[in-house]
Amino acid sequence: DIQMTQSPSSVSASVGDSVTITCRASQRIPGGLAWYQQKPGKAPKLLIFGSGSLHGGVPSRFSGTESGTHFTLTISSLQPEDFVTYYCQEADNFPSRLTFGGGTRVEIK
Amino acid sequence: EVHLVESGGDLVQPGGSLRLSCAASGFIFSSHWMSWVRQAPGKGLEWVANIKEDGSEMFYVDSAKGRFTISRDNAENSLYLQMNSLRGEDTGVYFCARVESNLVWVGQLLKTYYLDSWGQGTLVTVSS
Repeated sequence: DIQMTQSPSSVSASVGDSVTITCRASQRIPGGLAWYQQKPGKAPKLLIFGSGSLHGGVPSRFSGTESGTHFTLTISSLQPEDFVTYYCQEADNFPSRLTFGGGTRVEIK
Repeated sequence: EVHLVESGGDLVQPGGSLRLSCAASGFIFSSHWMSWVRQAPGKGLEWVANIKEDGSEMFYVDSAKGRFTISRDNAENSLYLQMNSLRGEDTGVYFCARVESNLVWVGQLLKTYYLDSWGQGTLVTVSS
């Protein structure tokens, strides 16, 4: 089974800053990762699929990259509504399995 | 617009059963794999089960195998999760989600899968 290690578990930043969240996979994931944003008490929302493709309606300050087993989500110029929790997700063994990272909480400094 | 609405969450005693429902609208339900994902209080997301477009294939997280059954009624645009032998660790919010796929180029064309639409969730509490 693929193991996903998401880091950091939390990060503090200010409005206007840039933050990068990382997911490291235990093996290569040819189809890439998806990234989700979750606000408190709400359902997750898709941000990025295929490691770098922006889902419709998602602001361009969100971007994703992939390098081997290392995946990143970068939020440039943080806005007040971005201080929530983010998850990565892989589906290399779909449909028998989906795996989420442990989550990263972006907090206001 | 895609709309998913879960229902059926409740307080249930350990060992009890519960059936969750998810009403879908705004898309061709029978053309999509569907998933259940749960979230324990204060914890992260955990995939629970997948079901094929026509309901012929189902897959579960190990902790749900033998206890949970995912099903669907394409005529009613509805997804279900029958949960038996419930345990305290099954407590959490259960989300239904639509599976979408896309082709990505990584030296070759590959299919990637992700959850592009989610319901608001329904709370299951397992406690005596």
